[in-house]
Amino acid sequence: AQKITQTQPGMFVQEKEAVTLDCTYDTSDPSYGLFWYKQPSSGEMIFLIYQGSYDQQNATEGRYSLNFQKARKSANLVISASQLGDSAMYFCAMREGIITGNQFYFGTGTSLTVIP
Amino acid sequence: GAGVSQSPSNKVTEKGKDVELRCDPISGHTALYWYRQSLGQGLEFLIYFQGNSAPDKSGLPSDRFSAERTGGSVSTLTIQRTQQEDSAVYLCASSLARRGEQFFGPGTRLTVL
Repeated sequence: AQKITQTQPGMFVQEKEAVTLDCTYDTSDPSYGLFWYKQPSSGEMIFLIYQGSYDQQNATEGRYSLNFQKARKSANLVISASQLGDSAMYFCAMREGIITGNQFYFGTGTSLTVIP
Repeated sequence: GAGVSQSPSNKVTEKGKDVELRCDPISGHTALYWYRQSLGQGLEFLIYFQGNSAPDKSGLPSDRFSAERTGGSVSTLTIQRTQQEDSAVYLCASSLARRGEQFFGPGTRLTVL
């Protein structure tokens, strides 16, 4: 089974609107971390937001928030007030065993296009 | 502050040649990861270092691939007898051991002719 599943290969959003990028994960480890990364056309991978499995609150970082539904094993990224510069690939990732874990698992990514 | 650096940024080589890719992680980051990203694809995990040891080499695609890390810092990924299917962007990332968000380098674009 896939560790990280991103079912939306491509998404479009109107500038200034909000968009949700889906991510589901699969683990039996009670201790894990979830991450979102942005990869613009320049190729750099930019860390956006982190959610720990024991965190009670949904993570927020500026216009980014993570809709963490632990029972459903989903960690959707919400981008509010989309900007043209948000157009990029977005990758969801998981690290199992926050303290002892090593390997990161990445999803296949979602390509987001912001329409002016 | 200095981020993760990788060299060279681009490498064009002929099939059958050996190549070495270098990664300088952020100072103090104990964990170092190598990934491969083919055009338009996601990240393929290759190898992970904790300090100088590599507890997880499971992602290396063949015995032509090897990696080492010295002094808990610089890492080198070596590909021997390169094949055309090795063409990809090779990304290095480093992280602190605990929360573990990874900070990525700019990548090395490898083209095997």
